[in-house]
Amino acid sequence: DSGVTQTPKHLITATGQRVTLRCSPRSGDLSVYWYQQSLDQGLQFLIQYYNGEERAKGNILERFSAQQFPDLHSELNLSSLELGDSALYFCASSVDWGDTTQYFGPGTRLTVL
Amino acid sequence: GIQVEQSPPDLILQEGANSTLRCNFSDSVNNLQWFHQNPWGQLINLFYIPSGTKQNGRLSATTVATERYSLLYISSSQTTDSGVYFCAVGPSGNTPLVFGKGTRLSVIA
Repeated sequence: DSGVTQTPKHLITATGQRVTLRCSPRSGDLSVYWYQQSLDQGLQFLIQYYNGEERAKGNILERFSAQQFPDLHSELNLSSLELGDSALYFCASSVDWGDTTQYFGPGTRLTVL
Repeated sequence: GIQVEQSPPDLILQEGANSTLRCNFSDSVNNLQWFHQNPWGQLINLFYIPSGTKQNGRLSATTVATERYSLLYISSSQTTDSGVYFCAVGPSGNTPLVFGKGTRLSVIA
């Protein structure tokens, strides 16, 4: 158990819909990262938050957005879903200095039908 | 950006055999992690190893940062070692990771 929790574990929805994925980082970790794993693109970084502020942006579509709340949990919002958004979405957290191992949650498997 | 190449892409081993997985990266890094993705999709941390050598049971890893590569050694492999092994790197400690495409390992009894 990495200490990072993600909900839900599985999500099945239809094209055009909107979903929210939730992540709670390890206690004390201020950085939260979102990654997407799809069959054709592999594991790709989407977005990073640090202590409530956006710190880095990767290959995140405009239809996707995220935020980190004062209690440090984070949500990833995916809207106008397409078949190609079906993927495993991971959240990771880390401290900001020293041993900055990123610990990954169990992932949310999104299926868009 | 940083490029990460892993080799071999696929590996089939008999139980009890040893193996070496390689990760080459294109630029200097201050974060390098090895992961095992099990058949259920979980990404399990194996090592945080931006430089030097570490060992954990049957697994060990070495990163030679000046030559931009890292090696993961698996000894006396077991069927539970099957899965995909990823190397991921970052230019500094608290930056996003760039993942390689992974090495798919199958250990057969």
